[in-house]
Amino acid sequence: EDQVTQSPEALRLQEGESSSLNCSYTVSGLRGLFWYRQDPGKGPEFLFTLYSAGEEKEKERLKATLTKKESFLHITAPKPEDSATYLCAVQANFNKFYFGSGTKLNVKP
Amino acid sequence: DGGITQSPKYLFRKEGQNVTLSCEQNLNHDAMYWYRQDPGQGLRLIYYSQIVNDFQKGDIAEGYSVSREKKESFPLTVTSAQKNPTAFYLCASSDRIDSPLHFGNGTRLTVT
Repeated sequence: EDQVTQSPEALRLQEGESSSLNCSYTVSGLRGLFWYRQDPGKGPEFLFTLYSAGEEKEKERLKATLTKKESFLHITAPKPEDSATYLCAVQANFNKFYFGSGTKLNVKP
Repeated sequence: DGGITQSPKYLFRKEGQNVTLSCEQNLNHDAMYWYRQDPGQGLRLIYYSQIVNDFQKGDIAEGYSVSREKKESFPLTVTSAQKNPTAFYLCASSDRIDSPLHFGNGTRLTVT
């Protein structure tokens, strides 16, 4: 069964305390893996696309990596404004996206 | 600025009433989608459309209907047949295969 699992469900960090979020997937025929940020009451905001194992993408304090079975979103020296829910989605077949339930990140000053 | 506009932001309805959620995009994207988001669950696909006048059911289409008469518009009707309609509804679009979804800011529907 195709599915995407994100862990942990919630993560509380102190400002400046680096950590990683995990997205594991069991999907046949991966076409792409996407990371989104979602603020309360808003739609998801696109962050990264990864297409093949070994690929990495960076944006400010965020770095996304991909292996054959999972992806990590590394957050370096986070700030309170990084607090949000981070969603992972996998595209297996054309127009078929599978979403994880997200990791809710809270960064305390 | 290009983007996806969903309206209204909040919607309240009585049980037994149909309600239509609006989604408009000016990104010139061919494909459009409707998702439902419930607490603690991943986004679930309701309907999607790859081209005007064509659409397909997603994983949870029962109790919903859509139309795609124009490229930029993809309204969703939540009918009285939907058992648990209270949720956060998200509209999205994409322009080609393997490209990310772009989302609107959602409509929160409450049915009492």
